[in-house]
Amino acid sequence: SQKIEQNSEALNIQEGKTATLTCNYTNYSPAYLQWYRQDPGRGPVFLLLIRENEKEKRKERLKVTFDTTLKQSLFHITASQPADSATYLCANNAGNMLTFGGGTRLMVKP
Amino acid sequence: SAVISQKPSRDICQRGTSLTIQCQVDSQVTMMFWYRQQPGQSLTLIATANQGSEATYESGFVIDKFPISRPNLTFSTLTVSNMSPEDSSIYLCSVVGQGVGGYTFGSGTRLTVV
Repeated sequence: SQKIEQNSEALNIQEGKTATLTCNYTNYSPAYLQWYRQDPGRGPVFLLLIRENEKEKRKERLKVTFDTTLKQSLFHITASQPADSATYLCANNAGNMLTFGGGTRLMVKP
Repeated sequence: SAVISQKPSRDICQRGTSLTIQCQVDSQVTMMFWYRQQPGQSLTLIATANQGSEATYESGFVIDKFPISRPNLTFSTLTVSNMSPEDSSIYLCSVVGQGVGGYTFGSGTRLTVV
């Protein structure tokens, strides 16, 4: 069955460093992947979408890559700030159904 | 992108009762989606609601437990029926985003069943 997986362990980094989060998928080839941010008690907020024919996409301090050979997407936050602390979710939609990975909690320490 | 107003934001309910959650979108949308997020878990799609037709439920979710209404293109409700403590979760509605993609979510309803 199709699976989309993220590292369930929390990622702790120091302010100013680059945070890198991983999303792996198996048993299918998504046409694109999406990344969301979720703060406690809030709904997910859409950040970036990357298509399979795009190797990289950027938005301000965010960068997403898509490696169809490795079946993996990486999400980078450069010059991280404590305000970036949140859970980050990758997701893929097959048709209109959005399937989420388990999310990775990022903690940026001052 | 669309703005979704979801209410209530939270509620504590007695087991055996029902709770209806409402989502209002500030623009007309064809499909609205309802998700459940159990404590410490990611989001799971409950059903897709189209205006003028019955909702389409995902495996493990049934209409009797989670009836959905979609009276027009800007509004939907999800009812959690005959609640048990296992229904304690965050429930979220969502619509497809416009422009650059992605989905827009409501702020969620945190339900606690006691």
